[in-house]
Amino acid sequence: GENVEQHPSTLSVQEGDSAVIKCTYSDSASNYFPWYKQELGKRPQLIIDIRSNVGEKKDQRIAVTLNKTAKHFSLHITETQPEDSAVYFCAAVGGYNQGGKLIFGQGTELSVKP
Amino acid sequence: EAGVAQSPRYKIIEKRQSVAFWCNPISGHATLYWYQQILGQGPKLLIQFQNNGVVDDSQLPKDRFSAERLKGVDSTLKIQPAKLEDSAVYLCASSLASGAGFNSPLHFGNGTRLTVT
Repeated sequence: GENVEQHPSTLSVQEGDSAVIKCTYSDSASNYFPWYKQELGKRPQLIIDIRSNVGEKKDQRIAVTLNKTAKHFSLHITETQPEDSAVYFCAAVGGYNQGGKLIFGQGTELSVKP
Repeated sequence: EAGVAQSPRYKIIEKRQSVAFWCNPISGHATLYWYQQILGQGPKLLIQFQNNGVVDDSQLPKDRFSAERLKGVDSTLKIQPAKLEDSAVYLCASSLASGAGFNSPLHFGNGTRLTVT
């Protein structure tokens, strides 16, 4: 089945710097890759997603890139702010044989220092 | 739109007791998921329903966990008997549809934090 690896597990940046979180997946048939932000004690919330027919997607300070050949995708946050501090999860939806099962990475705890 | 509703918000039980969680998905969402999130880890899928049918329950410990979605709307997840390692947040999520070639975003509920002592 699908396996998603996420790095780094923790990331600390200064306010205004950029942050990059990387994920790899194993199932070449995976076709949907969402990113979730989870603040302490709260539910995961979708911040951006990308489908396999697109290489890059941007939404204000957040962008996601997808390399299907290498089977990896990345989250880029520019001009980070203290409120970006949270745990970020990547996920991949398995291909045909996975029935749309969403598999999460282990999470990256992002800390933005003022 | 109203979000995914879950109850209770917190539950503390002793090992070997039973517990049940309830979830009401977003109206019109055909797919419902139960995830287990252990502290410091990513959510792990326990079971996925499409309407009232089970799509995937390969990671559900069926000797102690059960789930149902009888009318294709609300769902309950039960643990009987509970073990210490079941302490986690149980997240319910729903989406419009899922399946190969068509995936829509998951919307999560606030979860139920279970503590087994």
